[in-house]
Amino acid sequence: GESVGLHLPTLSVQEGDNSIINCAYSNSASDYFIWYKQESGKGPQFIIDIRSNMDKRQGQRVTVLLNKTVKHLSLQIAATQPGDSAVYFCAENRDSNSGYALNFGKGTSLLVTP
Amino acid sequence: DVKVTQSSRYLVKRTGEKVFLECVQDMDHENMFWYRQDPGLGLRLIYFSYDVKMKEKGDIPEGYSVSREKKERFSLILESASTNQTSMYLCASSPPGLRNEKLFFGSGTQLSVL
Repeated sequence: GESVGLHLPTLSVQEGDNSIINCAYSNSASDYFIWYKQESGKGPQFIIDIRSNMDKRQGQRVTVLLNKTVKHLSLQIAATQPGDSAVYFCAENRDSNSGYALNFGKGTSLLVTP
Repeated sequence: DVKVTQSSRYLVKRTGEKVFLECVQDMDHENMFWYRQDPGLGLRLIYFSYDVKMKEKGDIPEGYSVSREKKERFSLILESASTNQTSMYLCASSPPGLRNEKLFFGSGTQLSVL
C-alpha cells in the first residue's frame, strides 16, 4: 500500500539553529497532514497540522510546509532548544474505511547539542 | 485537555499468556485506536473502533483482538502472547467526523514477552 516516509532517520543540530525535518508521502488522495513529537517514555504529542488547501502553516516556533506537486512535507523549528530533542513523526490521513486513522512515517530523531 | 490513560506503563508476560491492555479516554470520543510502535517501523495500526461494540481491523491485526463495551474504554487482547509481540503499544482517540483526524495518544505500554 501507499506509505509515508522520511528522508533522514536522525538529525543533529546545535542549540539556537533552525531545524528542518522532511517527509515524503505517496498517497495523492491524502488531504490532511500532521506532525507529532515523541519524547522518551511518552506518547506522541501534537505539534501542528495542515490541510491540502494550504501550503504553509505557522505555529509557535514551528512551521509546516506542504508541497503537493512533489508530495513533500516539512517541519521547521526555529531557534532549536534542548527541549526539542525528540522523535518527530509525520502522518497523513486515511479514508473513512479506517475510521480516519492516521498513517505514520518511521520517525526522525532530532538531537540538539549545546 | 483530552486525557488518554493506559493502565500499565510496563508489562512483562510469558509466551502463551493471555494479555489485556487497557485504555480509557475522558473526552467522550467515538473513535479509538490501537497502534504498536517498533524502532525503525514507526506506528502501525492494529485495530480501531468508531463506536461501542464496533471494531475494525487495521493493518496488522493478526494475533490480536479488541473489546469496546463502553465508549470510554478500548481494550487490546493478545490471545496467546508471542515474543514477536514485544513492543510499545499506543492507544489513541479522536472525535467523530471527517475533519477530526487529530489523534490524542496515551503514554504507551511497553510490553515484553519472554
